[in-house]
Amino acid sequence: AQKVTQAQTEISVVEKEDVTLDCVYETRDTTYYLFWYKQPPSGELVFLIRRNSFDEQNEISGRYSWNFQKSTSSFNFTITASQVVDSAVYFCALMLGRADGLTFGKGTHLIIQP
Amino acid sequence: DVKVTQSSRYLVKRTGEKVFLECVQDMDHENMFWYRQDPGLGLRLIYFSYDVKMKEKGDIPEGYSVSREKKERFSLILESASTNQTSMYLCASTDPYEQYFGPGTRLTVT
Repeated sequence: AQKVTQAQTEISVVEKEDVTLDCVYETRDTTYYLFWYKQPPSGELVFLIRRNSFDEQNEISGRYSWNFQKSTSSFNFTITASQVVDSAVYFCALMLGRADGLTFGKGTHLIIQP
Repeated sequence: DVKVTQSSRYLVKRTGEKVFLECVQDMDHENMFWYRQDPGLGLRLIYFSYDVKMKEKGDIPEGYSVSREKKERFSLILESASTNQTSMYLCASTDPYEQYFGPGTRLTVT
């Protein structure tokens, strides 16, 4: 069975600091999809990124970047120059196929202090 | 824009009641999912459906059932609600690889 581990339960940084959220996954399948979601205090889950197992290119979107390394089964998420609006719970998730559900990590609560 | 709606944001029910949580999506997605979210546990998959009248158990199906009579609607049923089913329930549909989530229903069973 697959598993996603987010070892950091809570991270607190001061605004403008860079912060990296760790995600380690386990699966025996060679084809899979990795996701990051943001859950702000309002509660809705906001999709951030999807990566498939054949695409190890890192991705940058504004202040957000993702580092996918199959060799270490990790899919880490970095926020550069953090802002208070980045405060949220962030979830990493794994999906095996289009008809499968997501296996989520337990989430990392990110607190950005002004 | 894909829209996934859930019938209630907040719901309070008594132990032993039969509870229906409704989810509707407007994008003709084949696959729909129900998750529950609990502090410290993340989101866990309860049931999913890949077609009308089809259903599959997820990781924690005990105490729940589902119904999918129409493609756009996926219902989660608590046959006899118990206090340990107090949780946030999230519905999702897929596109096919991106899961769109509804706003969630916070259910309290007293």
